[in-house]
Amino acid sequence: LAKTTQPISMDSYEGQEVNITCSHNNIATNDYITWYQQFPSQGPRFIIQGYKTKVTNEVASLFIPADRKSSTLSLPRVSLSDTAVYYCLVGEPDKLIFGTGTRLQVFP
Amino acid sequence: DVKVTQSSRYLVKRTGEKVFLECVQDMDHENMFWYRQDPGLGLRLIYFSYDVKMKEKGDIPEGYSVSREKKERFSLILESASTNQTSMYLCASSSLAGGRNEQFFGPGTRLTVL
Repeated sequence: LAKTTQPISMDSYEGQEVNITCSHNNIATNDYITWYQQFPSQGPRFIIQGYKTKVTNEVASLFIPADRKSSTLSLPRVSLSDTAVYYCLVGEPDKLIFGTGTRLQVFP
Repeated sequence: DVKVTQSSRYLVKRTGEKVFLECVQDMDHENMFWYRQDPGLGLRLIYFSYDVKMKEKGDIPEGYSVSREKKERFSLILESASTNQTSMYLCASSSLAGGRNEQFFGPGTRLTVL
């Protein structure tokens, strides 16, 4: 199972764009890349998933280069409520490996 | 909306007790999962199940067992609770229908073993 590496923490200010990069050098052909968000005292919540190139939804964009060895979650114009832990996961749909995540702190 | 419920938000047990954590999902999902979450360690998979009466070990199954007698219910059992099992326990469910890999999580049970 592919292991992921992402920064432990990041700081930002309201209104800025935040990019969190995840490294997954040994990603397998069948693996998807999925990002989750977790607020304190809650379970993680799905944000976005992709296989290659770019995926965009109402809350985020996911950029995946051609070699798929990394991915970048982009959060446009963050607000205080985006303060959370963000997990990058790589694997087949029926089994995911959560790492320690990136703790994003948004300041006013 | 998918709903995953867990029997307790907070639980306090004593060392050596047998502990049952219950999880119920209402979306007819095939897959169910149990994780524990500890500070600095992220989420770690304990057990998962693809179908009724099926179970697979995750990364840290030692000291735990599971039961899935009905599709909607997945129970985590601590046979003899120990203090190192004090943790936040999270249940999740998912379905591959539609091809999207999304796990839905419950609110978690914070277990303290004294």
